[in-house]
Amino acid sequence: AQSVTQLGSHVSVSEGALVLLRCNYSSSVPPYLFWYVQYPNQGLQLLLKYTSAATLVKGINGFEAEFKKSETSFHLTKPSAHMSDAAEYFCALMNYGGSQGNLIFGKGTKLSVKP
Amino acid sequence: GAVVSQHPSWVICKSGTSVKIECRSLDFQATTMFWYRQFPKQSLMLMATSNEGSKATYEQGVEKDKFLINHASLTLSTLTVTSAHPEDSSFYICSARDREQASIYEQFFGPGTRLTVL
Repeated sequence: AQSVTQLGSHVSVSEGALVLLRCNYSSSVPPYLFWYVQYPNQGLQLLLKYTSAATLVKGINGFEAEFKKSETSFHLTKPSAHMSDAAEYFCALMNYGGSQGNLIFGKGTKLSVKP
Repeated sequence: GAVVSQHPSWVICKSGTSVKIECRSLDFQATTMFWYRQFPKQSLMLMATSNEGSKATYEQGVEKDKFLINHASLTLSTLTVTSAHPEDSSFYICSARDREQASIYEQFFGPGTRLTVL
């Protein structure tokens, strides 16, 4: 079965510091992986996606993620945090065995940015 | 870009009443739409998959008679919560796949609907 694990339900960084949000996955087939951001009471916005092309994926708002098959990881990073980055972040995996490609989400990581 | 809207954005209703939530793809055709449910401080859980012109596919544990889904056109899917109870209070989010970009497997999410049942 496929699954997604996000390590750390809450991450706090100072403005200007490195952001690292961790995501590990389990999949018996080559995965399609996604990172989404959710602001309070809003839907999800796609940050970036991995679809078996380049292992280092660049997304919007300065975020990037690196797919590491050997570590089954897809961690999200940003060199310098901004106050506006404070939000909930979800790692997701395409569900091959499910309903026409729905997403399997991790439990989310809340990012706080201190001034 | 691909935009998905939901209406209403929030709704408060009395226990026992029914509530309809609309999900629309505004600038693309969506043969497949997904309905997710998100409890406070938790992740999104898939409730059902909606396909235009056919019956929805429900995930295990989701009552199809309680959560009625209709996908009548390529741009509209509706979720009706029948005889709502306080435990149905949640954040409901829909997503849609662009018919013309099916191979990319990308979903576009609506802004969500906050349902509160008193």
